[in-house]
Amino acid sequence: GEDVEQSLFLSVREGDSSVINCTYTDSSSTYLYWYKQEPGAGLQLLTYIFSNMDMKQDQRLTVLLNKKDKHLSLRIADTQTGDSAIYFCAEKRTVQAGTALIFGKGTTLSVSS
Amino acid sequence: KAGVTQTPRYLIKTRGQQVTLSCSPISGHRSVSWYQQTPGQGLQFLFEYFSETQRNKGNFPGRFSGRQFSNSRSEMNVSTLELGDSALYLCASSSRGAGDNEQFFGPGTRLTVL
Repeated sequence: GEDVEQSLFLSVREGDSSVINCTYTDSSSTYLYWYKQEPGAGLQLLTYIFSNMDMKQDQRLTVLLNKKDKHLSLRIADTQTGDSAIYFCAEKRTVQAGTALIFGKGTTLSVSS
Repeated sequence: KAGVTQTPRYLIKTRGQQVTLSCSPISGHRSVSWYQQTPGQGLQFLFEYFSETQRNKGNFPGRFSGRQFSNSRSEMNVSTLELGDSALYLCASSSRGAGDNEQFFGPGTRLTVL
């Protein structure tokens, strides 16, 4: 298929780690992204990883990439209530003369105190 | 540096009308992409502009069109509106388009078609 797949919901307690998973389809994708969307807002770029890397860490965020399985994950350490949002995984694909981001349906993260 | 701005933030139209949405990219960015977000279909790519040229277009009917001006600002137009066009329309900018790794999104325009 051509879809980027994500689980729809994740619920964690404040202070725990959250892991959001994603599978993508295009093995030629060069970059993979994680975006965050809060209610009524646009998309906030959290982090991205180049396809020749297998891990990237940025403060509380860790991205793991398994290129063989086309699997991407986002780990949020010490999850806070302010992390409650929808998280989108996206792959960058070549489309005609340019590129486009192909998004998953989003994972709703709910953090309880 | 100011972020991506989109106007208007909210719009209500009726079926059959047309609408124009505007996007101003981050200063210095030359590429603008548009996406449609709906609960059913999620985020779908509409088109990408770079230096006033449309580089690619997603799988949307011809009623959806756009353009980019010499100052990199972009507009998208939807003619003969249908109820299914109700959505959040998001604009993203990047400095070089295909060769740039980071796309930054605006807050979106919420279009409601009655």
